[in-house]
Amino acid sequence: SQELEQSPQSLIVQEGKNLTINCTSSKTLYGLYWYKQKYGEGLIFLMMLQKGGEEKSHEKITAKLDEKKQQSSLHITASQPSHAGIYLCGADVESNTGKLIFGQGTTLQVKP
Amino acid sequence: NAGVTQTPKFRVLKTGQSMTLLCAQDMNHEYMYWYRQDPGMGLRLIHYSVGEGTTAKGEVPDGYNVSRLKKQNFLLGLESAAPSQTSVYFCASSLIAGNTGELFFGEGSRLTVL
Repeated sequence: SQELEQSPQSLIVQEGKNLTINCTSSKTLYGLYWYKQKYGEGLIFLMMLQKGGEEKSHEKITAKLDEKKQQSSLHITASQPSHAGIYLCGADVESNTGKLIFGQGTTLQVKP
Repeated sequence: NAGVTQTPKFRVLKTGQSMTLLCAQDMNHEYMYWYRQDPGMGLRLIHYSVGEGTTAKGEVPDGYNVSRLKKQNFLLGLESAAPSQTSVYFCASSLIAGNTGELFFGEGSRLTVL
């Protein structure tokens, strides 16, 4: 969706390196979701952020929603081959109408 | 626990044929969604429902119809399939959108239109 822009669209990193994926909107984001998808498989829930300034971590993945609730970042520390896949951010950008849209995804490759 | 179940998982259609994808959830969720996923496009919202008997258009609703006659089921119909509808379709549900926890996804249905 153009209402949710992810950057970069693709990323290749060396194992052990840190990386950041961004999700940006011109509108306020409500209920920001991050999902991961392995190629050809289903979607794995990573975390959900609601409040401006909120930050959550799971293992080596940290996500933050900025104070204005218009941008979220996903940060992976010391990347591993198991982190490879497609990362998708999704949100309700129409004030809790239930219309959940997603960005175009970021494809991550981690080279051993 | 079944969660969100999509049927069928694979289907091949000829142009002009019709079909229905069924999404069933057993979590008593209010909100249900149909998305399509194409390479490089992420997930695009087709239609969604905020409760039994209600439906709303998403980002790419043309060529699709939906119904939510029962709370646990959300049907996606293609009346006259076109090759442009070749895609992987995902259904999802949540208790209440935006301010609750996880959005639960089905495993996907791969549709090919020849």
